Amino acid sequence: NAGVMQNPRHLVRRRGQEARLRCSPMKGHSHVYWYRQLPEEGLKFMVYLQKENIIDESGMPKERFSAEFPKEGPSILRIQQVVRGDSAAYFCASSPTGGQEQFFGPGTRLTVL
Amino acid sequence: EDQVTQSPEALRLQEGESSSLNCSYTVSGLRGLFWYRQDPGKGPEFLFTLYSAGEEKEKERLKATLTKKESFLHITAPKPEDSATYLCAVPLIQGAQKLVFGQGTRLTINP
Repeated sequence: NAGVMQNPRHLVRRRGQEARLRCSPMKGHSHVYWYRQLPEEGLKFMVYLQKENIIDESGMPKERFSAEFPKEGPSILRIQQVVRGDSAAYFCASSPTGGQEQFFGPGTRLTVL
Repeated sequence: EDQVTQSPEALRLQEGESSSLNCSYTVSGLRGLFWYRQDPGKGPEFLFTLYSAGEEKEKERLKATLTKKESFLHITAPKPEDSATYLCAVPLIQGAQKLVFGQGTRLTINP
């Protein structure tokens, strides 16, 4: 049973470009969470999605950031017009139902030049 | 404010030297506490879930315990491969799916 998959593992963007981060949850998991880990800081919750629905986006900046989890395909975290402060590791986690253990992917390390 | 605090921030031990990591939390209505291990450049790896005070879970050289205000991760006779950052997290009562993480304890085991 494959774990949570994220791609790309490393992404370099120049200021003002768009970043698209993808996450495929574990098989049988319909709940997806995105977290951000800034250098020397802890993991911070961004958004929680179920298929085709955003359940909680309270940790996601209101501007430039969006997330989706379509009926088919991976969950996407999209960052428009990236700035240097967006440089971080972005982790996706999944669980079979809400309120249970979350299993994390390997992360996407975004570097903004 | 819901908060999770881990101590110490960093810990260096000699191989075989047992110790404990602490995770204290201020969350109204605990709905579980999770321990994860994170290696450099990787995602957190799930270790344990604890749900009620007095509960204990074990896995190899690790044992996690829970009281009403804190959790301990005991490491017995550690080996160099146990070196990692150990994270604890609790779900918020209002949004049980949202995990609040501590800053982690960076553990180094010297051979």
